[in-house]
Amino acid sequence: EDQVTQSPEALRLQEGESSSLNCSYTVSGLRGLFWYRQDPGKGPEFLFTLYSAGEEKEKERLKATLTKKESFLHITAPKPEDSATYLCAVQAHPNDYKLSFGAGTTVTVRA
Amino acid sequence: KAGVTQTPRYLIKTRGQQVTLSCSPISGHRSVSWYQQTPGQGLQFLFEYFSETQRNKGNFPGRFSGRQFSNSRSEMNVSTLELGDSALYLCASSLLGSNTEAFFGQGTRLTVV
Repeated sequence: EDQVTQSPEALRLQEGESSSLNCSYTVSGLRGLFWYRQDPGKGPEFLFTLYSAGEEKEKERLKATLTKKESFLHITAPKPEDSATYLCAVQAHPNDYKLSFGAGTTVTVRA
Repeated sequence: KAGVTQTPRYLIKTRGQQVTLSCSPISGHRSVSWYQQTPGQGLQFLFEYFSETQRNKGNFPGRFSGRQFSNSRSEMNVSTLELGDSALYLCASSLLGSNTEAFFGQGTRLTVV
């Protein structure tokens, strides 16, 4: 069964203090790895999709990278508005249309 | 471009009742998936539909069912509600369902009392 583990569970940062979130996965044939941001009481907001090891994608202060066993979400010089729960999900087998999610990392950025 | 729309946003039901939730996907998207989110279990996959056919089903009891219409809109139904069914139910739409980005709605918050 697909397994997705995110660490740490929670991260408290000072504004401007860069850090990284980890997503390790065990799947039988990765089709895609997805990062989402979720604010309290709202649905997840799509951030990135990564398909192969070595791939990187950036959006404002966020950068996602992928290796064969894990993905990192780097937050550079975070601002308070970056506070949210960041979710990682994988899609495996070609005919498996579900996303398997990790438990998420809750990031709090203090001004 | 309109996003994924879920209705209603909030629901309060009594144990034993049934409930129907609705999801309108992004225009042009043919795949609709449903997820249950709870503090203890996180996001759990319920089922996925593409062109009115269920292609995947998660590990939920038969009380949870769904369907998709020809315009790609989808509904999910939960019968004989239990207290443990209280959760945020999320719908996601994507172009094809595989290898494409999935976009989520705001969810329906179901409370069973």
